[in-house]
Amino acid sequence: EPEVTQTPSHQVTQMGQEVILRCVPISNHLYFYWYRQILGQKVEFLVSFYNNEISEKSEIFDDQFSVERPDGSNFTLKIRSTKLEDSAMYFCASSVSGNGEQYFGPGTRLTVT
Amino acid sequence: AQSVTQPDIHITVSEGASLELRCNYSYGATPYLFWYVQSPGQGLQLLLKYFSGDTLVQGIKGFEAEFKRSQSSFNLRKPSVHWSDAAEYFCAVGVLYGGSQGNLIFGKGTKLSVKP
Repeated sequence: EPEVTQTPSHQVTQMGQEVILRCVPISNHLYFYWYRQILGQKVEFLVSFYNNEISEKSEIFDDQFSVERPDGSNFTLKIRSTKLEDSAMYFCASSVSGNGEQYFGPGTRLTVT
Repeated sequence: AQSVTQPDIHITVSEGASLELRCNYSYGATPYLFWYVQSPGQGLQLLLKYFSGDTLVQGIKGFEAEFKRSQSSFNLRKPSVHWSDAAEYFCAVGVLYGGSQGNLIFGKGTKLSVKP
């Protein structure tokens, strides 16, 4: 069964460093998303992406964040200058249609020290 | 504003007992509703979804949920819990913008423990 994959599974970085989290969505999906889950808190929407542009973003998704689909398979989330409060599990998701069910990857645990 | 409330943070049931996890939502239009399950160290797996039609929806692993518009609820049920059901369960509402695309708003989750 096709699934969303994410790499790395765990990333440790120092405050102020740039990180890139990678995702490979399900191949025939057209809509892509990033969510994050701070430890002990609920899953929060960050950004959605369709047709090579951002469709919607939350207030969390500030200028430090960017997303890109550099080729036909990868979908990346970049945090330009990480802060301690960026420590969280980051989930990528994809869906066939914009209002359909979203399939989530296993997540990347980002630890900022 | 749209929101999802899961009033129970942690529930413990005995194996073989029935289970009901509560979910209430706040959304101005007809909601798209989902239940996801997250096992420790794992991602979110879709259990079931409600888009329209029959208000009782069946999902994987023997779960079902009932949409009740009058109560703004979408409670998850299972008649007989198995030890492998121990996990965290998240209710979510799909929020549409621009008519066609949406994101998910999640509740805080309910952690399910299963006693032997």
